[in-house]
Amino acid sequence: KQEVTQIPAALSVPEGENLVLNCSFTDSAIYNLQWFRQDPGKGLTSLLLIQSSQREQTSGRLNASLDKSSGRSTLYIAASQPGDSATYLCAVRPYNNNDMRFGAGTRLTVKP
Amino acid sequence: DAGVIQSPRHEVTEMGQEVTLRCKPISGHNSLFWYRQTMMRGLELLIYFNNNVPIDDSGMPEDRFSAKMPNASFSTLKIQPSEPRDSAVYFCASSPDRGPANEQFFGPGTRLTVL
Repeated sequence: KQEVTQIPAALSVPEGENLVLNCSFTDSAIYNLQWFRQDPGKGLTSLLLIQSSQREQTSGRLNASLDKSSGRSTLYIAASQPGDSATYLCAVRPYNNNDMRFGAGTRLTVKP
Repeated sequence: DAGVIQSPRHEVTEMGQEVTLRCKPISGHNSLFWYRQTMMRGLELLIYFNNNVPIDDSGMPEDRFSAKMPNASFSTLKIQPSEPRDSAVYFCASSPDRGPANEQFFGPGTRLTVL
């Protein structure tokens, strides 16, 4: 059974700092990995999706990498802003079905 | 596109009552997913449909839970009878069969409180 772990559970940084969020998964046979953002009391917003054949994806200040063999993904946020404060979740999808497995998330606080 | 639409946004009910949650997926998306989010268990997939047909309902916790998708633009998740432990946020998501690796798009969720 696929297990997805996100470390750290919470992170607080000053504005302007670059930061890395980590996601690890136990079964490397994945179809894709998706990073989401969730604001308090809100739904999930898709940030980046990396297909199994890809190594990284970039969108603005965000960069997500994928190392399937080691079962790891990172989300890099450059020049963090208070508006980046939210919970960030990663989810992996296996090849044979749509049962996405989510990590517990990292709660990020960017202080002005 | 308006995105995935869910209603109601908040529901407060008493134990034993029937609860119906509704979802309208993004037009053109073939797959629809129902998730539940709690502090203890995080996000869990309950059931998903492809072309209106339930494909995997192994995540549905009990027979008290049922889901239907009568057409491509509407799905319901019903709990009957509801219990306090069903209190959670229920999300609906949809994805196309084609496109960038079947990216999932989530609705705003329904926050259910069972007293």
